[in-house]
Amino acid sequence: KAGVTQTPRYLIKTRGQQVTLSCSPISGHRSVSWYQQTPGQGLQFLFEYFSETQRNKGNFPGRFSGRQFSNSRSEMNVSTLELGDSALYLCASSSRVHTQYFGPGTRLTVL
Amino acid sequence: QQQVKQSPQSLIVQKGGIPIINCAYENTAFDYFPWYQQFPGKGPALLIAIRPDVSEKKEGRFTISFNKSAKQFSLHIMDSQPGDSATYFCAASDSNSGYALNFGKGTSLLVTP
Repeated sequence: KAGVTQTPRYLIKTRGQQVTLSCSPISGHRSVSWYQQTPGQGLQFLFEYFSETQRNKGNFPGRFSGRQFSNSRSEMNVSTLELGDSALYLCASSSRVHTQYFGPGTRLTVL
Repeated sequence: QQQVKQSPQSLIVQKGGIPIINCAYENTAFDYFPWYQQFPGKGPALLIAIRPDVSEKKEGRFTISFNKSAKQFSLHIMDSQPGDSATYFCAASDSNSGYALNFGKGTSLLVTP
């Protein structure tokens, strides 16, 4: 089976812009979670989607949002970008409780 | 607030040594404790995981020890190799809160030849 894929792999934006990141889970996986990874804060949970419904949300401002489509593919959106949003954004998919498989991430740089 | 505390931040061992990475948690609702390995430019990869009803689990050269009363768990890497040089993350989750993983801050491991 193909692994979790994320597009794009690298992205450069300027402050105030918005960005959309995409994630395709492993075939058959219905849960998709998003994480932000930074050197200072480490890996932090953003949100989780299961069967197109947001099931859980981390402690991030409302500028961070996401959605999941009927084919389980997911997108996350960050509006009004800030310098501190520069990070590696990781998507993970799961077919059953707890076992999560991560994609390679999207490296977002905000200038 | 970091729900999982991990130490040390970095570790250097010689080939064949046994690096040990420790994690501690406070939330007694956590019922799943995985370890992830991450190489530069890659996403974290699941290494091994344990549930609180088991005190030890081995998979190949990797062993998790779990102490429920102390709310601590650790990763041991037997016969470490230079190829094990990576960043290791412990994590914990509560099955009543979905699949959200609470990660430690990571340990950068260097295994010298």
